[in-house]
Amino acid sequence: AQSVTQLDSQVPVFEEAPVELRCNYSSSVSVYLFWYVQYPNQGLQLLLKYLSGSTLVKGINGFEAEFNKSQTSFHLRKPSVHISDTAEYFCAVIITGGGNKLTFGTGTQLKVEL
Amino acid sequence: DTAVSQTPKYLVTQMGNDKSIKCEQNLGHDTMYWYKQDSKKFLKIMFSYNNKELIINETVPNRFSPKSPDKAHLNLHINSLELGDSAVYFCASSQALSGTYNEQFFGPGTRLTVL
Repeated sequence: AQSVTQLDSQVPVFEEAPVELRCNYSSSVSVYLFWYVQYPNQGLQLLLKYLSGSTLVKGINGFEAEFNKSQTSFHLRKPSVHISDTAEYFCAVIITGGGNKLTFGTGTQLKVEL
Repeated sequence: DTAVSQTPKYLVTQMGNDKSIKCEQNLGHDTMYWYKQDSKKFLKIMFSYNNKELIINETVPNRFSPKSPDKAHLNLHINSLELGDSAVYFCASSQALSGTYNEQFFGPGTRLTVL
């Protein structure tokens, strides 16, 4: 069975500082990897995805993530955060060829402070 | 234009009642989903319909019954509501399932509170 681990439940960071949100997955088969963002009282929005190809993936709002197969990680990074990045971030996986079923991590609350 | 919409946005009800949450998408997608987000923000898929046919049915109490009158709608009916049903329920939709991934677009959520 596949699972997704987000090691940090909360990450406080000052505005304009860099940030990394960690995600590890466990699966014996190949997977697609995703990061979603949930702003307060809103639905989920896709930030970026890794399906195949280049392991460095760029998404919206200046975020990027790097797929590391040997470490089974897909950490999310942004070089300089803004107050408006304050939100809940979810890492998720889909087993390739296994339908479109998303399995989510437990989420990381990013709080950007002045 | 709203792509995936849900009604109501908030739902407060008493234990034991029966309630429905409606979901509509105007993206022309063939597949729709229901997810539950609990109080700890953990998200888990409940159901998925493809062309009005149930294809994913996770371990969900049979008090929950999805109904898809057409491809654009997937409603969630809940019987005999319990305190533990309190959560935010998200609807999503995507293109028809194939061997590859299809992006899911999420609705704004319905916050259900059972008293």
